[in-house]
This record gives sequence, structure tokens and C-alpha cells, in this order.
Amino acid sequence: GQQVMQIPQYQHVQEGEDFTTYCNSSTTLSNIQWYKQRPGGHPVFLIQLVKSGEVKKQKRLTFQFGEAKKNSSLHITATQTTDVGTYFCAGIYAGNNRKLIWGLGTSLAVNP
Amino acid sequence: NAGVTQTPKFQVLKTGQSMTLQCAQDMNHEYMSWYRQDPGMGLRLIHYSVGAGITDQGEVPNGYNVSRSTTEDFPLRLLSAAPSQTSVYFCASSRQGKNSPLHFGNGTRLTVT
Repeated sequence: GQQVMQIPQYQHVQEGEDFTTYCNSSTTLSNIQWYKQRPGGHPVFLIQLVKSGEVKKQKRLTFQFGEAKKNSSLHITATQTTDVGTYFCAGIYAGNNRKLIWGLGTSLAVNP
Repeated sequence: NAGVTQTPKFQVLKTGQSMTLQCAQDMNHEYMSWYRQDPGMGLRLIHYSVGAGITDQGEVPNGYNVSRSTTEDFPLRLLSAAPSQTSVYFCASSRQGKNSPLHFGNGTRLTVT
């Protein structure tokens, strides 16, 4: 079946270090969305990538969509304690209408 | 705008009891959905609706019912609660179209004893 694999499951960094989470699909995605969930909170939409090779930035966050539209990454430069939370990717496959296929998330802990 | 409102925030049920989790949105979104979130299992889709009067099953629908009589409301009913339904439940809505981001409610933490 359609799956989106997300790695790593956990990441523990010192404040100021960089962080990257990766999502991989075995088949081509139509688009991919990224969400952040703070501890005890709900998922909040961060960004959507649609085009092959697309790169988008939000301050210290850089999102990439692979050329083949099968993988994506989220990179955080110089992490801060406010970055703590779980980051989810969610892919949509062509022809799958509205159904999101979620990665299991990467939980980020930041030591001050 | 309140966005997506879920009630209650917390609930404890005994096995076999039934209850309804409420979800309402004020953004005139056509699409609404229910997810459950369990440790290590991510977000799993229970049921969804693409408009009033239309509902469909997600990947884990057993033990849950939904209805969509209005655009605003999408209640989730647990027919006979089981300990396996202990989870955090999120309602989410969006405009129609696969490029629309989901807006989540604050969640309901349900414990079934």
C-alpha cells in the first residue's frame, strides 16, 4: 500500500545545532505537507510543496521536495527551544483526491 | 473566528459506554475528518466527510460512527467504548481540494477503563 516513511523517529540536539527530518515514499507524490505538533498540542500546518525540486524557506526552516517527488526534507538551522515538538509530513498521491498519507513523525528535543 | 472547536477536552468512560465527541468549524470548510493519535502510531484517519450528507470510512473506522447533517458539525460517536479506544482524538477541516491544508481542533483525550 501507499506509505510515507519518516526518519528519524527521535532526535535530541543541543540548542544551536541543526536538525533534519526526512520523508520517503515508494511512489510519486502529488504534493506533500508538513505539520508541527507541540507537546500536548495539535498539529499545525507549516507548508506545502507541490513542484518537483521545490525549495521553500520559513526563517530558519528549509523545506525541500525531491526531483522525483518521492522524498522531502525539513531542515532547521540553529535550533531553538521553541522548535521542540513533533514534525509530521503528509503526502498526497495523484488520483487519491483528498486522502493524506501521514509519516509517523520525528520528535525533536532541544537541550538549552 | 474560533476555527475548529472540539468538546470535551477530556473524557473517561467505562467499557461498554457510548458517547459523542463534538466537532464544529466556522470556516465554511467542506472537508472534515476525525483522526486518532496513539504513541508511535502517528495520526490515523477514522472517518471523513467531503460535504453535508456525505461520509466515508478512513483506515480505522470500526467502533465509530459519524454523520454530517450540516457543513459546520461533524460528531464522532463511540457505540460501545473499549479500552483499545483510549487515545487522543483530533477533528480537522479544510476547504475542498487536495492542496488545502488541514486545520485541527485542540483534541479530546479519551480514556476507557
